[in-house]
Amino acid sequence: QQPVQSPQAVILREGEDAVINCSSSKALYSVHWYRQKHGEAPVFLMILLKGGEQKGHEKISASFNEKKQQSSLYLTASQLSYSGTYFCGATPRSGGSNYKLTFGKGTLLTVNP
Amino acid sequence: AAGVIQSPRHLIKEKRETATLKCYPIPRHDTVYWYQQGPGQDPQFLISFYEKMQSDKGSIPDRFSAQQFSDYHSELNMSSLELGDSALYFCASISLTGAMEGYTFGSGTRLTVV
Repeated sequence: QQPVQSPQAVILREGEDAVINCSSSKALYSVHWYRQKHGEAPVFLMILLKGGEQKGHEKISASFNEKKQQSSLYLTASQLSYSGTYFCGATPRSGGSNYKLTFGKGTLLTVNP
Repeated sequence: AAGVIQSPRHLIKEKRETATLKCYPIPRHDTVYWYQQGPGQDPQFLISFYEKMQSDKGSIPDRFSAQQFSDYHSELNMSSLELGDSALYFCASISLTGAMEGYTFGSGTRLTVV
């Protein structure tokens, strides 16, 4: 089951904030966030493993609401380098050999000067 | 730090030809995943290997096969290529022992079928 991301696209001016949401109809055992620049590989940002967990990476942070099966990525004081497509990914179980990641359709973030 | 190495970076093939993509995971990573990403699309899971055994299979055509070798590198073999196979192919590696972590992706192979 593919996670649902929203919005599909966001346009910001440098310094503005954005929130990207990811939800699933199935239980989320872990949520990953990646950023991909055009023609490049996805780059891992962070992983959230349990409900209520929040993490931060510079001015990018994320939360995981296990009850609602939702995760949100927060980008504050955006920089030009934040431009790219953001993917959330969900895994079906907590580990073992079946740690397959299913990606959402992505959110295209454009930060303008 | 060592990264995931994919080769070749670019590949141009004609319809009905075969292609072999290679992936060298990070040392001591025991799991490899292959993904296909079309233009403007999200990465689609193809197949995965854990400790040299196939662990999961996604939407991989029967024309494609893959394996992981004793040195943990993996190869994706694609036969009877079609125009629709043109895409970016990524492999990613991870260690499933210890703390859970994110995937590390290789730079990808851009396959163009003409």
